[in-house]
Amino acid sequence: AQSVTQPDIHITVSEGASLELRCNYSYGATPYLFWYVQSPGQGLQLLLKYFSGDTLVQGIKGFEAEFKRSQSSFNLRKPSVHWSDAAEYFCAVGLMEYGNKLVFGAGTILRVKS
Amino acid sequence: EPEVTQTPSHQVTQMGQEVILRCVPISNHLYFYWYRQILGQKVEFLVSFYNNEISEKSEIFDDQFSVERPDGSNFTLKIRSTKLEDSAMYFCASRADRGPAYEQYFGPGTRLTVT
Repeated sequence: AQSVTQPDIHITVSEGASLELRCNYSYGATPYLFWYVQSPGQGLQLLLKYFSGDTLVQGIKGFEAEFKRSQSSFNLRKPSVHWSDAAEYFCAVGLMEYGNKLVFGAGTILRVKS
Repeated sequence: EPEVTQTPSHQVTQMGQEVILRCVPISNHLYFYWYRQILGQKVEFLVSFYNNEISEKSEIFDDQFSVERPDGSNFTLKIRSTKLEDSAMYFCASRADRGPAYEQYFGPGTRLTVT
Protein backbone atom coordinates (compact mmCIF):
# COMPACT_ATOMS: atom_id res chain seq x y z
CA ALA A 1 0.00 0.00 0.00
CA GLN A 2 1.07 3.54 -0.60
CA SER A 3 2.50 5.33 2.41
CA VAL A 4 4.56 8.31 3.41
CA THR A 5 6.86 8.35 6.41
CA GLN A 6 8.14 11.44 8.15
CA PRO A 7 10.41 10.05 10.84
CA ASP A 8 10.77 13.26 12.84
CA ILE A 9 7.72 14.37 14.78
CA HIS A 10 9.38 17.50 16.15
CA ILE A 11 12.48 19.39 15.07
CA THR A 12 13.95 22.46 16.75
CA VAL A 13 16.49 24.64 14.97
CA SER A 14 18.04 27.99 15.72
CA GLU A 15 17.11 30.94 13.58
CA GLY A 16 19.62 31.23 10.75
CA ALA A 17 20.57 27.56 10.89
CA SER A 18 20.00 25.15 8.04
CA LEU A 19 17.06 22.76 7.99
CA GLU A 20 16.37 19.34 6.54
CA LEU A 21 13.04 17.55 6.99
CA ARG A 22 12.98 13.93 5.98
CA CYS A 23 10.35 12.16 3.93
CA ASN A 24 10.28 8.60 2.63
CA TYR A 25 7.54 7.14 0.48
CA SER A 26 6.38 3.72 -0.55
CA TYR A 27 4.74 3.63 -3.95
CA GLY A 28 5.11 1.31 -6.89
CA ALA A 29 4.69 3.73 -9.75
CA THR A 30 6.26 7.08 -10.58
CA PRO A 31 5.61 9.24 -7.57
CA TYR A 32 4.26 12.74 -7.65
CA LEU A 33 5.55 14.33 -4.48
CA PHE A 34 4.56 17.41 -2.57
CA TRP A 35 5.48 19.36 0.52
CA TYR A 36 2.77 21.38 2.27
CA VAL A 37 3.06 23.73 5.23
CA GLN A 38 0.38 24.36 7.82
CA SER A 39 0.59 27.27 10.24
CA PRO A 40 -1.54 27.08 13.40
CA GLY A 41 -5.21 27.52 12.56
CA GLN A 42 -4.49 27.75 8.86
CA GLY A 43 -5.03 25.53 5.85
CA LEU A 44 -2.41 23.69 3.84
CA GLN A 45 -0.16 25.72 1.60
CA LEU A 46 1.88 24.09 -1.15
CA LEU A 47 5.61 24.70 -0.81
CA LEU A 48 6.81 22.71 -3.81
CA LYS A 49 6.14 19.67 -5.94
CA TYR A 50 7.96 17.11 -8.04
CA PHE A 51 6.57 15.09 -10.89
CA SER A 52 9.36 14.78 -13.45
CA GLY A 53 12.59 16.29 -14.67
CA ASP A 54 15.21 17.86 -12.46
CA THR A 55 15.30 16.03 -9.16
CA LEU A 56 16.10 19.21 -7.23
CA VAL A 57 13.02 21.39 -7.09
CA GLN A 58 12.71 24.92 -5.83
CA GLY A 59 9.69 26.16 -3.95
CA ILE A 60 8.36 29.20 -2.25
CA LYS A 61 9.85 30.86 0.82
CA GLY A 62 13.38 29.69 -0.06
CA PHE A 63 12.63 25.97 0.32
CA GLU A 64 13.95 23.24 -1.94
CA ALA A 65 13.59 19.47 -2.04
CA GLU A 66 15.53 16.69 -3.68
CA PHE A 67 13.94 13.55 -5.08
CA LYS A 68 16.11 10.46 -4.72
CA ARG A 69 14.51 7.46 -6.35
CA SER A 70 17.13 5.02 -5.05
CA GLN A 71 16.34 6.02 -1.49
CA SER A 72 12.60 6.61 -2.00
CA SER A 73 13.10 9.99 -0.40
CA PHE A 74 12.01 13.57 -0.95
CA ASN A 75 13.69 15.63 1.76
CA LEU A 76 12.91 19.29 2.26
CA ARG A 77 15.72 21.76 2.88
CA LYS A 78 16.26 25.39 3.64
CA PRO A 79 19.71 26.94 4.05
CA SER A 80 18.73 29.54 6.64
CA VAL A 81 15.58 29.26 8.76
CA HIS A 82 13.53 32.28 9.78
CA TRP A 83 11.32 32.46 12.88
CA SER A 84 8.29 32.68 10.59
CA ASP A 85 9.05 29.18 9.27
CA ALA A 86 7.77 27.66 12.52
CA ALA A 87 4.85 25.50 11.43
CA GLU A 88 3.94 21.91 10.65
CA TYR A 89 5.25 20.43 7.42
CA PHE A 90 3.59 17.60 5.55
CA CYS A 91 5.04 15.45 2.80
CA ALA A 92 2.52 13.85 0.44
CA VAL A 93 2.43 11.55 -2.56
CA GLY A 94 -0.16 12.03 -5.29
CA LEU A 95 -1.77 8.89 -6.66
CA MET A 96 -2.61 9.61 -10.26
CA GLU A 97 -4.55 6.42 -10.78
CA TYR A 98 -6.82 7.23 -7.85
CA GLY A 99 -8.08 10.62 -8.96
CA ASN A 100 -4.82 12.17 -7.80
CA LYS A 101 -5.74 11.81 -4.16
CA LEU A 102 -2.97 12.75 -1.79
CA VAL A 103 -1.54 10.43 0.83
CA PHE A 104 0.06 12.44 3.60
CA GLY A 105 2.78 11.73 6.08
CA ALA A 106 2.19 12.35 9.77
CA GLY A 107 3.87 15.73 9.66
CA THR A 108 6.91 17.33 11.28
CA ILE A 109 6.48 20.23 13.68
CA LEU A 110 9.25 22.76 13.25
CA ARG A 111 10.18 25.00 16.15
CA VAL A 112 12.57 27.89 15.62
CA LYS A 113 14.50 29.28 18.55
CA SER A 114 15.96 32.74 18.51
CA GLU B 1 -5.11 35.24 -6.09
CA PRO B 2 -8.13 32.92 -6.20
CA GLU B 3 -8.61 30.73 -3.17
CA VAL B 4 -10.78 27.96 -1.80
CA THR B 5 -13.14 29.12 0.93
CA GLN B 6 -14.93 27.06 3.57
CA THR B 7 -17.79 27.79 5.92
CA PRO B 8 -18.25 27.69 8.81
CA SER B 9 -14.78 27.90 10.29
CA HIS B 10 -15.98 26.08 13.40
CA GLN B 11 -19.08 23.95 13.87
CA VAL B 12 -20.22 22.42 17.14
CA THR B 13 -22.94 19.80 16.98
CA GLN B 14 -24.46 17.11 19.15
CA MET B 15 -23.97 13.43 18.45
CA GLY B 16 -26.59 12.13 16.05
CA GLN B 17 -27.21 15.46 14.38
CA GLU B 18 -26.69 16.13 10.68
CA VAL B 19 -24.07 18.64 9.59
CA ILE B 20 -23.28 20.17 6.24
CA LEU B 21 -19.85 21.60 5.61
CA ARG B 22 -19.60 24.03 2.75
CA CYS B 23 -16.82 24.81 0.33
CA VAL B 24 -16.47 27.17 -2.59
CA PRO B 25 -13.71 25.83 -4.85
CA ILE B 26 -11.71 27.99 -7.22
CA SER B 27 -14.07 28.92 -10.02
CA ASN B 28 -12.53 27.20 -13.05
CA HIS B 29 -11.49 24.03 -11.22
CA LEU B 30 -12.92 20.67 -12.17
CA TYR B 31 -11.79 18.26 -9.45
CA PHE B 32 -12.88 18.52 -5.84
CA TYR B 33 -11.77 16.77 -2.69
CA TRP B 34 -12.50 16.43 1.00
CA TYR B 35 -9.85 15.49 3.53
CA ARG B 36 -9.98 15.36 7.29
CA GLN B 37 -7.43 15.69 10.06
CA ILE B 38 -8.25 14.34 13.49
CA LEU B 39 -6.39 16.32 16.15
CA GLY B 40 -2.79 15.17 16.35
CA GLN B 41 -3.11 12.80 13.40
CA LYS B 42 -2.27 12.93 9.73
CA VAL B 43 -4.41 14.42 7.01
CA GLU B 44 -6.57 11.66 5.47
CA PHE B 45 -8.31 11.54 2.10
CA LEU B 46 -12.07 11.14 2.23
CA VAL B 47 -13.44 11.56 -1.27
CA SER B 48 -12.79 12.99 -4.73
CA PHE B 49 -15.48 14.32 -7.05
CA TYR B 50 -15.44 15.01 -10.77
CA ASN B 51 -18.11 15.57 -13.38
CA ASN B 52 -20.84 15.45 -10.75
CA GLU B 53 -19.94 12.08 -9.38
CA ILE B 54 -17.63 10.51 -6.85
CA SER B 55 -14.44 9.29 -8.53
CA GLU B 56 -12.73 7.83 -5.50
CA LYS B 57 -13.57 7.38 -1.82
CA SER B 58 -11.79 6.01 1.20
CA GLU B 59 -13.00 3.40 3.65
CA ILE B 60 -13.76 6.26 6.06
CA PHE B 61 -16.36 7.61 3.65
CA ASP B 62 -19.22 5.32 4.61
CA ASP B 63 -22.98 5.68 4.14
CA GLN B 64 -23.10 8.45 6.74
CA PHE B 65 -21.18 10.73 4.39
CA SER B 66 -22.30 12.29 1.15
CA VAL B 67 -21.05 15.01 -1.16
CA GLU B 68 -22.88 17.26 -3.53
CA ARG B 69 -22.28 20.11 -5.90
CA PRO B 70 -25.71 21.70 -5.68
CA ASP B 71 -24.93 24.60 -7.99
CA GLY B 72 -22.05 25.87 -10.05
CA SER B 73 -20.05 27.15 -7.12
CA ASN B 74 -20.58 25.18 -3.91
CA PHE B 75 -19.27 21.77 -2.93
CA THR B 76 -20.71 20.28 0.26
CA LEU B 77 -19.92 17.44 2.61
CA LYS B 78 -22.85 16.10 4.63
CA ILE B 79 -22.58 13.86 7.64
CA ARG B 80 -26.01 12.37 8.31
CA SER B 81 -25.69 11.32 11.93
CA THR B 82 -22.53 12.57 13.55
CA LYS B 83 -20.46 10.50 15.94
CA LEU B 84 -17.91 11.62 18.49
CA GLU B 85 -15.14 10.26 16.29
CA ASP B 86 -16.17 12.59 13.45
CA SER B 87 -14.63 15.45 15.41
CA ALA B 88 -11.84 16.71 13.18
CA MET B 89 -10.70 19.48 10.89
CA TYR B 90 -12.22 19.02 7.44
CA PHE B 91 -10.38 20.43 4.45
CA CYS B 92 -11.80 21.01 1.01
CA ALA B 93 -9.47 21.12 -2.00
CA SER B 94 -9.86 21.76 -5.69
CA ARG B 95 -7.77 21.21 -8.76
CA ALA B 96 -7.95 22.70 -12.23
CA ASP B 97 -7.43 19.62 -14.34
CA ARG B 98 -5.96 16.12 -14.41
CA GLY B 99 -2.26 15.57 -14.78
CA PRO B 100 0.56 15.96 -12.31
CA ALA B 101 1.22 19.58 -13.14
CA TYR B 102 -2.07 20.58 -11.59
CA GLU B 103 -1.84 20.91 -7.84
CA GLN B 104 -4.58 20.78 -5.25
CA TYR B 105 -5.46 24.04 -3.54
CA PHE B 106 -6.71 23.67 0.01
CA GLY B 107 -9.21 25.74 1.93
CA PRO B 108 -8.61 26.90 5.52
CA GLY B 109 -10.70 24.08 6.96
CA THR B 110 -13.78 23.66 9.12
CA ARG B 111 -13.23 22.44 12.64
CA LEU B 112 -16.09 20.10 13.54
CA THR B 113 -16.64 19.34 17.20
CA VAL B 114 -19.17 16.64 18.07
CA THR B 115 -20.32 16.59 21.69
